[in-house]
Amino acid sequence: GQQVMQIPQYQHVQEGEDFTTYCNSSTTLSNIQWYKQRPGGHPVFLIQLVKSGEVKKQKRLTFQFGEAKKNSSLHITATQTTDVGTYFCHINNAGNMLTFGGGTRLMVKP
Amino acid sequence: EAGVAQSPRYKIIEKRQSVAFWCNPISGHATLYWYQQILGQGPKLLIQFQNNGVVDDSQLPKDRFSAERLKGVDSTLKIQPAKLEDSAVYLCASSRRGDSGNTIYFGEGSWLTVV
Repeated sequence: GQQVMQIPQYQHVQEGEDFTTYCNSSTTLSNIQWYKQRPGGHPVFLIQLVKSGEVKKQKRLTFQFGEAKKNSSLHITATQTTDVGTYFCHINNAGNMLTFGGGTRLMVKP
Repeated sequence: EAGVAQSPRYKIIEKRQSVAFWCNPISGHATLYWYQQILGQGPKLLIQFQNNGVVDDSQLPKDRFSAERLKGVDSTLKIQPAKLEDSAVYLCASSRRGDSGNTIYFGEGSWLTVV
């Protein structure tokens, strides 16, 4: 079945430091989405990547899709306390199986 | 645009009791999803509806969980009888279509505690 691994599970950073989370799939993906879930909240859509090697930016967030379309990363530059939450990748492989990664919980120390 | 509505927000029941959750998706969204999110884990898809038909229920524990979307709009998820391990947040979500690449919009969730 579809396997997706997200690393790391947890990350503590000092405010101002950078943060990266990685999502790795065992199969080629048709697209990948990233969601953010604040503590006590629900997942909120951030972005979707479709093309091989695609890079998208949203202010301090940079999203990349691997050339082989099997992995993706989310990088936050100069974290702020408002970045606190859990970041999930969401994949839809060629067989239309929808799966969330386990998430990376980001904690930011002010 | 109104978001995905869910009720109740919180429910505490004893094991072996039953519980039902209700969801009203965003107007015009053909696809409705129920997810189970256990604390510290990612959401797990329980069932996906396209209008009033089931697209995927492969991870739904059918011996105790059931879901319906009779008129292709709102939906209910039922658990009977509940077990301790069913304690989780039940997230309802919707999207315009169910095919690849559609943004999924989540409701606030229904928090279930089974004691």
